[in-house]
Amino acid sequence: AQTVTQSQPEMSVQEAETVTLSCTYDTSENNYYLFWYKQPPSRQMILVIRQEAYKQQNATENRFSVNFQKAAKSFSLKISDSQLGDTAMYFCALDRGSTLGRLYFGRGTQLTVWP
Amino acid sequence: DSGVTQTPKHLITATGQRVTLRCSPRSGDLSVYWYQQSLDQGLQFLIQYYNGEERAKGNILERFSAQQFPDLHSELNLSSLELGDSALYFCASSAKTGARNTGELFFGEGSRLTVL
Repeated sequence: AQTVTQSQPEMSVQEAETVTLSCTYDTSENNYYLFWYKQPPSRQMILVIRQEAYKQQNATENRFSVNFQKAAKSFSLKISDSQLGDTAMYFCALDRGSTLGRLYFGRGTQLTVWP
Repeated sequence: DSGVTQTPKHLITATGQRVTLRCSPRSGDLSVYWYQQSLDQGLQFLIQYYNGEERAKGNILERFSAQQFPDLHSELNLSSLELGDSALYFCASSAKTGARNTGELFFGEGSRLTVL
C-alpha cells in the first residue's frame, strides 16, 4: 500500500522568510515520482515541483526546492523568500511508476504567509 | 489556466438524485483522471480513462460511473446521492500513460457538489 503523511496541518511564515513543509511516504516501488501541489483559495490544483525517485539531485524551481531523502522516505518542500501569494494548501503526492497518473495524496498543510 | 475545463462549477442537489459532471481535457491529452476531495477522505483517486478505455479504478463507489467519449471528453455520473457524496470533484488530464509519462497531471478547477 502507498501512504503519504503530512504531519503539519498548519504553518505560518512571515513574508520574505523561509519555510519548510514536511512529507513522508511509503511505497514498495523502486521507480516512482513525488510531487508538491498547491491549492490556493481558488481551489485549483497547481503543480509546484516534482522529483523522480531515481534522480539523486534535489529538484529546484525558482524559490521552491525539495530535500529528497530516499532511504528515509522523506520529501520536504522549502519555500524561500515567501510571498503573500504562496498562501495556500500544499499537498504532497506520490505516483507509483507502475500506475502513472494515479496520485496518492497527503492530507495537506495549510500555509499562511503574513506581511 | 490548466487547459482542463470542468462543468458545472457548483451543483446543489438532493439525496437520492443523480448528477453528471463533465470534463474536457487539455487539447491532445488522451488520459483523464477523476479525483474526489472531501473533508473526511481527503483527495482520492476515483478512476482513469485512456483514449476511451478504462485503465484504472480507485476508491470509486458502485453508484458512480464514468466514461470517456471519442472526442476525449469525460463524464462522471453519480447516482443515488447521499449526504456523504458532497465533495469537490476534480478532473485531470495528461498526455500519455505509461513509462514515458512523467506523471504530471493538469487539474481542472473542480466541480463542487453539495447534497442536501
